[in-house]
Amino acid sequence: RKEVEQDPGPFNVPEGATVAFNCTYSNSASQSFFWYRQDCRKEPKLLMSVYSSGNEDGRFTAQLNRASQYISLLIRDSKLSDSATYLCVVNDGDYKLSFGAGTTVTVRA
Amino acid sequence: DVKVTQSSRYLVKRTGEKVFLECVQDMDHENMFWYRQDPGLGLRLIYFSYDVKMKEKGDIPEGYSVSREKKERFSLILESASTNQTSMYLCAAGGYTDTQYFGPGTRLTVL
Repeated sequence: RKEVEQDPGPFNVPEGATVAFNCTYSNSASQSFFWYRQDCRKEPKLLMSVYSSGNEDGRFTAQLNRASQYISLLIRDSKLSDSATYLCVVNDGDYKLSFGAGTTVTVRA
Repeated sequence: DVKVTQSSRYLVKRTGEKVFLECVQDMDHENMFWYRQDPGLGLRLIYFSYDVKMKEKGDIPEGYSVSREKKERFSLILESASTNQTSMYLCAAGGYTDTQYFGPGTRLTVL
């Protein structure tokens, strides 16, 4: 079983729409959670950390549900520039980060 | 921002060749990492280093070795390249529970 699982998508949405997707993790001892963004043929870059109380960064909202072991990302008012693959990343309190395979979002005009 | 550079964007090698992938970071981070990224599998950790000359195996170290002689430089070595090592290789610097900064990646093809 993979440590971090994501729906690969793709999620095809029109500009201005709201899109949301989840990621599940297997280790209940996981301590830190992140969303990274990866553009086509580019390196991953940190989008936002995910805090227990949930957090927002502009049009992006991240939530953590420890009881059900998932995190979510919601994008409001989608822009064409939001088209990317979003990687769910979890740290187990150990030395490494575990990466999901990514959820692809395509925003169309 | 940390800047991480990798020696090549694209590399084509033959089976059995020894391959060196170089990574340099400019922000004095103790930790550096090598990952490979394959479709549907996500990033998988090959090796990481937490200090000069120190290294630890990640999830998939078989067929690879690493070298960290200077703090800013972390090299990945494929002793005898095989076709199943065709992949995107990403170097990163940063924390375990913190942001990791990635280089642009090296797309390696082994023929």
